[in-house]
Amino acid sequence: GAVVSQHPSWVICKSGTSVKIECRSLDFQATTMFWYRQFPKQSLMLMATSNEGSKATYEQGVEKDKFLINHASLTLSTLTVTSAHPEDSSFYICSAVGQAKDTQYFGPGTRLTVL
Amino acid sequence: DQQVKQNSPSLSVQEGRISILNCDYTNSMFDYFLWYKKYPAEGPTFLISISSIKDKNEDGRFTVFLNKSAKHLSLHIVPSQPGDSAVYFCAAGYTGTASKLTFGTGTRLQVTL
Repeated sequence: GAVVSQHPSWVICKSGTSVKIECRSLDFQATTMFWYRQFPKQSLMLMATSNEGSKATYEQGVEKDKFLINHASLTLSTLTVTSAHPEDSSFYICSAVGQAKDTQYFGPGTRLTVL
Repeated sequence: DQQVKQNSPSLSVQEGRISILNCDYTNSMFDYFLWYKKYPAEGPTFLISISSIKDKNEDGRFTVFLNKSAKHLSLHIVPSQPGDSAVYFCAAGYTGTASKLTFGTGTRLQVTL
């Protein structure tokens, strides 16, 4: 149980284009999902908290107009990187809070490379 | 300000021996702690957690110890296996909610034959 999927697992795009990443909780309903990014050899950095049916809460320093988050249902949250630039290249990971609300379950991550 | 620290970036242990991964935190309000294991290019996998009302939690080969006075927790893996080779993150948060976990920087464990 508590499986979280992400799609795509990797994506390469040209600078200036937008990329959408999906995060799904497959076997449970998640009222809250989180989006992280991880640079090589660094820790997970929380970008935003996504709540179903409401606006996402962004961490300080994260541009909400650049990283659009939509949590349309209890099993799906999407992160859209708009007008991507090479510095946005990173490993993006989502997580979802399980029914017990005491553990975050992570997706497998999405490797974004912006050329 | 790094509220959760893993001061050892890497650790090498022989197969069959004990692996001890350490984690320190500075925020005394944290009362819930988790350990995650992460392979390259994959998301973290939840391993084990502990609430501040306990000082030990055990699950198979994995045991987490919490020393609240020292603001220190450790993960013991015994016996260590080659498949345990990964990066281990500790995370701290608050009981009753998995929101706003603060992660450490990770320790890369290498279990050698």
